[in-house]
Amino acid sequence: EVQLVESGGGLVQPGRSLRLSCAASGFTFDDYAMHWVRQAPGKGLEWVSGISWNSGSTGYADSVKGRFTISRDNAKNSLYLQMNSLRAEDTALYYCAKDLGFLEWLGQADYWGQGTLVTVSS
Amino acid sequence: DIQMTQSPSSVSASVGDRVTITCRASQGISSWLAWYQQKPGKAPKLLIYAASSLQSGVPSRFSGSGSGTDFTLTISSLQPEDFATYYCQQANSFPSVTFGQGTKLEIK
Repeated sequence: EVQLVESGGGLVQPGRSLRLSCAASGFTFDDYAMHWVRQAPGKGLEWVSGISWNSGSTGYADSVKGRFTISRDNAKNSLYLQMNSLRAEDTALYYCAKDLGFLEWLGQADYWGQGTLVTVSS
Repeated sequence: DIQMTQSPSSVSASVGDRVTITCRASQGISSWLAWYQQKPGKAPKLLIYAASSLQSGVPSRFSGSGSGTDFTLTISSLQPEDFATYYCQQANSFPSVTFGQGTKLEIK
């Protein structure tokens, strides 16, 4: 059974940093691209970032480019999101999601975690 | 950046109704489109990928069609568990991904 478990969320002041983690199990982690998607309270889905299976390619939404960094550790079956210079508008539930494509980036996610909440407030 | 526009933003329907949700891309995306269902307090669930391919385990009353800029999600006969919010998503502009704003499907 595929499982994605996010952690690392919490309350943080504007301008500070936070690192999210996603622990994956139930599939061969290093065969799939991974994504972070967020959802502000009462709002729609926003893709944040994605990374290819071998970390060779990464992508970011314009809203986080230059502030957030995605990475993965295939030996630990883990995905990360380093979030710097946080703003109030980054407040959201952050989901980790597995890409559908085997050894390719399809950009479509077939499994999602339950999310970790990040609140940016003074 | 490619923008995705869904219509309607909300729709009311009854059990047994046929419902269609549309999604328009600001530029051609071939068939790089997915549809997701999200229920309150839950993570999104993939329904359709590559515009018209049904994800494993998804009931056959869900179908997707379209290519280029115009796409549709059709639910042929609404069931009580289908009342949720639906999102389209484009994945044509590697490595960027964009979601539509969502369509809330409510019980009439």
